[in-house]
Amino acid sequence: AQTVTQSQPEMSVQEAETVTLSCTYDTSESDYYLFWYKQPPSRQMILVIRQEAYKQQNATENRFSVNFQKAAKSFSLKISDSQLGDAAMYFCASRPGGYQKVTFGTGTKLQVIP
Amino acid sequence: EAQVTQNPRYLITVTGKKLTVTCSQNMNHEYMSWYRQDPGLGLRQIYYSMNVEVTDKGDVPEGYKVSRKEKRNFPLILESPSPNQTSLYFCASSSAERLDNEQFFGPGTRLTVL
Repeated sequence: AQTVTQSQPEMSVQEAETVTLSCTYDTSESDYYLFWYKQPPSRQMILVIRQEAYKQQNATENRFSVNFQKAAKSFSLKISDSQLGDAAMYFCASRPGGYQKVTFGTGTKLQVIP
Repeated sequence: EAQVTQNPRYLITVTGKKLTVTCSQNMNHEYMSWYRQDPGLGLRQIYYSMNVEVTDKGDVPEGYKVSRKEKRNFPLILESPSPNQTSLYFCASSSAERLDNEQFFGPGTRLTVL
């Protein structure tokens, strides 16, 4: 069984500053994938970044990067140069390799202060 | 345009009245899933399908049925809806050809059961 925990229900950041959203997970699989999704007020689910567990290098996508600590089962998301459009709910998710059973965390609501 | 569509987008119904939420994707994806989103609980997987005629239970399958008779369609059926099934529902699809199986989400269906 997989579990995904997001311990920060809400966070805020000043525009142009950096913020880190936390995510811890637990899985018995050796092969798995981790994801961060963004859900703006429109409710659309948007993939922000993905990480393959077998890759040691942390994934980056423009202003978004992750800190993947495999031994600690931690997968935090860093948003640099925060913009007003980053305000949204962010979900962390885990999926074992070769399977389609996906587990999401409970989400972190990010507020960006102008 | 590559997309996942869901219908209806909004539905208010009464307890016990059978309903179907349709999901269709035009990307020839093998994998499809249904999720429900509730405040404080994140997204929870209801059912998923690896291919035509292949479906399996997610974490919260009780009270739901699915079928996958065609590759592009994956309807969610509530035979006898109850108020605790009031939720926001998402359909998602992904390709078996991609190792990370990035999911593409539909726009969501807001269901209220009175």
